Amino acid sequence: AQSVTQLDSQVPVFEEAPVELRCNYSSSVSVYLFWYVQYPNQGLQLLLKYLSGSTLVESINGFEAEFNKSQTSFHLRKPSVHISDTAEYYCAVRISGNTPLVFGKGTRLSVIA
Amino acid sequence: NAGVTQTPKFRVLKTGQSMTLLCAQDMNHEYMYWYRQDPGMGLRLIHYSVGEGTTAKGEVPDGYNVSRLKKQNFLLGLESAAPSQTSVYFCASSPRGDSFYGYTFGSGTRLTVV
Repeated sequence: AQSVTQLDSQVPVFEEAPVELRCNYSSSVSVYLFWYVQYPNQGLQLLLKYLSGSTLVESINGFEAEFNKSQTSFHLRKPSVHISDTAEYYCAVRISGNTPLVFGKGTRLSVIA
Repeated sequence: NAGVTQTPKFRVLKTGQSMTLLCAQDMNHEYMYWYRQDPGMGLRLIHYSVGEGTTAKGEVPDGYNVSRLKKQNFLLGLESAAPSQTSVYFCASSPRGDSFYGYTFGSGTRLTVV
């Protein structure tokens, strides 16, 4: 069965410190991978995605994620976080064909001033 | 602004009551989805639709029904609400089934069943 595992349910970090949010998936076939962000009382917004090609993908607000096929991981990183990055982050995977996205349980990032 | 609109935004139901959640998108997307979001559980797929007049079950379909009579609308119904259905419900849409462009989400409906 396909699954997405977000290894940390909560990640507190001080402002301007680096952060890594971990995501692992279980699949042996080609996948599409996504990170979504949900700010308080809002819907989910697409942060970045990996479809194919370069294994390092970036967002417009400084986040990046690296697809690692051998470790079946797609960890999200940012070198220096801001208060405004406080949100819930979801990793999602499309395993194959037209199957709907499967989401992880989410990681709550709290940035401390 | 173009996007996905969910109504209502909040609702309180008594156990056994019925209601319908409406999702409307104006992007001409073929694919639409209903997820529920619960603390510690992430998002779980309830039902989805691959086009007008078609629906399919997701991971947690029991207690819900859906209809897609018009391409732009996807309705989620609760025939007899239960406290276990207290949740935040999100609708999403996509132009392609392979998720190439990802999903566009609505802002959610917070439902409490007492």
